[in-house]
Amino acid sequence: NAGVTQTPKFQVLKTGQSMTLQCAQDMNHEYMSWYRQDPGMGLRLIHYSVGAGITDQGEVPNGYNVSRSTTEDFPLRLLSAAPSQTSVYFCASSRGVSETQYFGPGTRLLVL
Amino acid sequence: AQSVAQPEDQVNVAEGNPLTVKCTYSVSGNPYLFWYVQYPNRGLQFLLKYITGDNLVKGSYGFEAEFNKSQTSFHLKKPSALVSDSALYFCAVRDEGYQKVTFGTGTKLQVIP
Repeated sequence: NAGVTQTPKFQVLKTGQSMTLQCAQDMNHEYMSWYRQDPGMGLRLIHYSVGAGITDQGEVPNGYNVSRSTTEDFPLRLLSAAPSQTSVYFCASSRGVSETQYFGPGTRLLVL
Repeated sequence: AQSVAQPEDQVNVAEGNPLTVKCTYSVSGNPYLFWYVQYPNRGLQFLLKYITGDNLVKGSYGFEAEFNKSQTSFHLKKPSALVSDSALYFCAVRDEGYQKVTFGTGTKLQVIP
């Protein structure tokens, strides 16, 4: 039981490049979410999903896309990276929105 | 709309003393409240949650939190702080009418030996 896994651990991008942050969970959780963590800003919700095929926007969705084709996977796509997207990204999953969230180890992204 | 505030960026406490990390929230319906902890260079770990019932919630590592509806607060407490409790603590809230969780900005707890 690996829990929530995220890849890559660290990535450097140039402005304008695109990339996908991978997130997978093996706990059969319906609810998954993506957060970004910035100093002084806490954790801010980017996108979330209440089940396969269903996604919705969080507080800071601009510049990011998600899809949820399976229960296990919830990738986050950066369409055209900007320096303002330099951050640490966390994926989380839970049985439901009011249940305990299990967080992945995070992806540290640097956009030059 | 839902929101949560952690008014202190940092809390310093001597080892062995009681600690309190403050959290206040704003919701339009009934709240679901959570505390998570983040140790340096790690992901977040769940500490405790309030959904309904007893206003005093006990969680992991000896932590507890008190739900106060009149003051819209959910402060985290521990009777005797350990140096190993030093970490970043996040309060989070979900309004029953919403499908998302909002986190606070975090409070850094420093326990001084």
